Amino acid sequence: DTEVTQTPKHLVMGMTNKKSLKCEQHMGHRAMYWYKQKAKKPPELMFVYSYEKLSINESVPSRFSPECPNSSLLNLHLHALQPEDSALYLCASSLYWGGNTEAFFGQGTRLTVV
Amino acid sequence: AQTVTQSQPEMSVQEAETVTLSCTYDTSENNYYLFWYKQPPSRQMILVIRQEAYKQQNATENRFSVNFQKAAKSFSLKISDSQLGDTAMYFCAFGAANAGGTSYGKLTFGQGTILTVHP
Repeated sequence: DTEVTQTPKHLVMGMTNKKSLKCEQHMGHRAMYWYKQKAKKPPELMFVYSYEKLSINESVPSRFSPECPNSSLLNLHLHALQPEDSALYLCASSLYWGGNTEAFFGQGTRLTVV
Repeated sequence: AQTVTQSQPEMSVQEAETVTLSCTYDTSENNYYLFWYKQPPSRQMILVIRQEAYKQQNATENRFSVNFQKAAKSFSLKISDSQLGDTAMYFCAFGAANAGGTSYGKLTFGQGTILTVHP
């Protein structure tokens, strides 16, 4: 199994809603990542978890709240988002957190904030 | 911090022909890795090829090869015998490998090149 599975694939939410994005991998990877990607732009790193501990927070607004319940799961909780937060949210995992390890990406969640 | 520059926003190629995508980077790190990722319309980012900076030999993966010029800080991707399935956005990326550095464990991406393969 070399997959990173993200659900849902599409999400439309209002600015007052609370929703969560889910990411799952069963490759035994110990590092997991959240990226935000705008159309035709490169992914921007948001958070890194290493061994289920938050290792990097790239100054992401608190309306985005990550959670890593176990080594296979990564969630991103969303609350009071703004329309400019509409984007593709990509989850990735790698064997460990480091500059040389291949990152495996999921297909992303297309988020629209209305 | 490092920067990655892809100077070709869009390129096109005929099926079965060869195309080269350019990437340059700037860094003060001495231990790093370089990657090419492909993102087709399906949205999933897929690793195409990886190069360790300490290796002089250029990496090759089937139809994909790189021309790594460390002194010039250049890392171009050559796609031979282009196929329709190669149509995608291609990102060059830099990964710092020195543990403890502020850039450790982060991928720095270029702006991407949209490649279209025509039949």
